[in-house]
Amino acid sequence: DTAVSQTPKYLVTQMGNDKSIKCEQNLGHDTMYWYKQDSKKFLKIMFSYNNKELIINETVPNRFSPKSPDKAHLNLHINSLELGDSAVYFCASSHFAGPTYEQYFGPGTRLTVT
Amino acid sequence: RKEVEQDPGPFNVPEGATVAFNCTYSNSASQSFFWYRQDCRKEPKLLMSVYSSGNEDGRFTAQLNRASQYISLLIRDSKLSDSATYLCVVISGGGADGLTFGKGTHLIIQP
Repeated sequence: DTAVSQTPKYLVTQMGNDKSIKCEQNLGHDTMYWYKQDSKKFLKIMFSYNNKELIINETVPNRFSPKSPDKAHLNLHINSLELGDSAVYFCASSHFAGPTYEQYFGPGTRLTVT
Repeated sequence: RKEVEQDPGPFNVPEGATVAFNCTYSNSASQSFFWYRQDCRKEPKLLMSVYSSGNEDGRFTAQLNRASQYISLLIRDSKLSDSATYLCVVISGGGADGLTFGKGTHLIIQP
């Protein structure tokens, strides 16, 4: 069973469009995250969400919005896509209160904006 | 000074050799430290946590030097399968603003 899954795996779209990436975890974790990994392989956290509290990285444009229908899902919605949004987006989850903060990552969604 | 810094490499190392690389961090209040491994076009996976007293897991040894603000990863008897990018992670607080990944060190084990 896949612990953290994301769909779609690949997403190609044009500038200006709105798109969503879905993420689901079956680990029973209470915190989920979205990361962006750009072409230089730099992995940067965008959001963390622990079912009650959303913590936003202040450098993330407000075109990006996480939406959590329930504890096991954290979707990422992106409005007005720009060329610079092209990257691999990883979802992850962890036990917020866990001593190790080990994060389990999904396989990633490769977004290409043309 | 960047928050978390790593030598990007690549480190080209013959199979069987020992290799070590460091990761420096700028926030002296950082609380938790980890090494993750990321294979090409795959997701990062936890390799090991880094404890204050240092810890070992098979061929891998992690060390923390709080005075000089760096963590290290040592790989002994390197295998071809160790080829990957190694990311250090530093946690300075709760939530998105306290968790920082380094850019990673690319390791290539050569036969």
